[in-house]
Amino acid sequence: KNQVEQSPQSLIILEGKNCTLQCNYTVSPFSNLRWYKQDTGRGPVSLTIMTFSENTKSNGRYTATLDADTKQSSLHITASQLSDSASYICVVSRGSYIPTFGRGTSLIVHP
Amino acid sequence: NAGVTQTPKFQVLKTGQSMTLQCAQDMNHEYMSWYRQDPGMGLRLIHYSVGAGITDQGEVPNGYNVSRSTTEDFPLRLLSAAPSQTSVYFCASTRVRTSERDTQYFGPGTRLTVL
Repeated sequence: KNQVEQSPQSLIILEGKNCTLQCNYTVSPFSNLRWYKQDTGRGPVSLTIMTFSENTKSNGRYTATLDADTKQSSLHITASQLSDSASYICVVSRGSYIPTFGRGTSLIVHP
Repeated sequence: NAGVTQTPKFQVLKTGQSMTLQCAQDMNHEYMSWYRQDPGMGLRLIHYSVGAGITDQGEVPNGYNVSRSTTEDFPLRLLSAAPSQTSVYFCASTRVRTSERDTQYFGPGTRLTVL
């Protein structure tokens, strides 16, 4: 069964600290892995896209890694800001662009 | 560009009523899709379209119809609303369906409650 599991479910950190979110998947065949940020009451916004041949992708303070052998990805946030408070969603797509969404990690950044 | 727009933002229906959720994009994207987001679950694909006149079912299509008469518009119709369709609905678009690298843009969502 095609699944995407994210951990932790929720995370609270202090402003300025770093954090890492995890994504494990069983989706096959693999096409690409995407990380999205979803603010409360808004639609998801794309952060990074990685294909099979890529093992790291950065977007400002966000850095995603991909290990296609172990089917794991992580999203590292550096020097967190209050505006980073959101849900972060991992999405893995199969060959014909049928996406499987994770349930998301809820991140709260406290001042 | 306005990106992906959705109307209405909020809607309350009674069981059995029908309605259409509107979605439009001004980026000339080929691929458009509808998702629903329920508490504690990941987004699930309802229907998608790879171009004008072409639609297909996603993961949870029952109770919903779609059509794509133009590149810009992709409305989602609820035929006979049920409480199980209470959810937040997102429309999304991508430039080309077959590209592995194209960014998918989401609309702001429609929050639907069925009583």
